[in-house]
Amino acid sequence: DSGVTQTPKHLITATGQRVTLRCSPRSGDLSVYWYQQSLDQGLQFLIQYYNGEERAKGNILERFSAQQFPDLHSELNLSSLELGDSALYFCASSGGGRTDTNYGYTFGSGTRLTVV
Amino acid sequence: DQQVKQNSPSLSVQEGRISILNCDYTNSMFDYFLWYKKYPAEGPTFLISISSIKDKNEDGRFTVFLNKSAKHLSLHIVPSQPGDSAVYFCAADLYGGSQGNLIFGKGTKLSVKP
Repeated sequence: DSGVTQTPKHLITATGQRVTLRCSPRSGDLSVYWYQQSLDQGLQFLIQYYNGEERAKGNILERFSAQQFPDLHSELNLSSLELGDSALYFCASSGGGRTDTNYGYTFGSGTRLTVV
Repeated sequence: DQQVKQNSPSLSVQEGRISILNCDYTNSMFDYFLWYKKYPAEGPTFLISISSIKDKNEDGRFTVFLNKSAKHLSLHIVPSQPGDSAVYFCAADLYGGSQGNLIFGKGTKLSVKP
């Protein structure tokens, strides 16, 4: 158990629908990151939140949005879903400290989204 | 444009031999490089990292080498074990002084045969 919890593990939905993915970071970590992994692709950075505030934005579509709540959990909202949004969505958290043996950047086990 | 590239989608190695996974990058501003291992149905797990001010970091069977002039890093696994079979992602961190978003390569699937 990495300490980063993502729910649900699997999600199947129809095109045009809206879904919410949830992430609880590791205890004490203030930063939450969302990544998307499509078939045969690396992990693409979507967005980062730090202590409730948006810190950085990557290749996130306008149909997608995220937020981080006062208890530090985060939600990624995906709307007007298309077939191409089918992917693994990972959340990661970090606490700011790093060394060569412990980067301190931990991933959850992901949510597999299938749009049909 | 891919800033972090892993040009070998797969690698097959015999148990006990050395596995060498390669990664190239284009942005000289990256200040930390990392390797993650990923098993199916799991999230990536941290393996080893290296600061841009070093050229080598070793942790047990795993060693990462950084060649800044060539913008190239490699992960050596010696000796390779069947349990090492996984997808390995190379990643780079752009933000100096604190952790930022990581930029990942597409991964190399390592198969270690008994």
